[in-house]
Amino acid sequence: DAGITQSPRHKVTETGTPVTLRCHQTENHRYMYWYRQDPGHGLRLIHYSYGVKDTDKGEVSDGYSVSRSKTEDFLLTLESATSSQTSVYFCAISESIGRAATGELFFGEGSRLTVL
Amino acid sequence: DQQVKQNSPSLSVQEGRISILNCDYTNSMFDYFLWYKKYPAEGPTFLISISSIKDKNEDGRFTVFLNKSAKHLSLHIVPSQPGDSAVYFCAASPGGAGANNLFFGTGTRLTVIP
Repeated sequence: DAGITQSPRHKVTETGTPVTLRCHQTENHRYMYWYRQDPGHGLRLIHYSYGVKDTDKGEVSDGYSVSRSKTEDFLLTLESATSSQTSVYFCAISESIGRAATGELFFGEGSRLTVL
Repeated sequence: DQQVKQNSPSLSVQEGRISILNCDYTNSMFDYFLWYKKYPAEGPTFLISISSIKDKNEDGRFTVFLNKSAKHLSLHIVPSQPGDSAVYFCAASPGGAGANNLFFGTGTRLTVIP
């Protein structure tokens, strides 16, 4: 199994509060991703990183920010959580773009966030 | 708008029989197609992929078929086993610089009945 740890695994928070989810990898992979999974939508890309301090937006980036100060850590921040951000969040890693496209995209176990 | 669609939210199959999971897509520029399997409380895990230049890829009990003219792919599992019970996601990659953004379907929950 790829060494990916997400924390916290479960969180309940209130609307308007800031939330940070952490993804930690031990594989030294260059690319890291944050996805959200919602019923009726599958998994959708929020943001991804292609190196330390290098990030880009995905399909559903509004309301989210990310940071990557070290190769092994990728943080997802909700500055002011809303109920529409209630979801399961998955971190993923890959060694290269090409390998992600052919299946070598490894997911963490997910973080379930509930915004009341 | 959903570029990758799985129109069957669930499928039940008897153990030993064939499971066929279907997926449709709209973007003819997709380069690779993948299937991921997900158990409850776990992250998705890669199962099998196929390049857009092929029409079939086989790995043990799992075979993926691609029909580019119909923009349709399917995953066949033969024979189905109870351990195959999971949610299966179809995904597609635009390739090139866009390969970072996999587009996922909504998933099909497969239940294999012993």
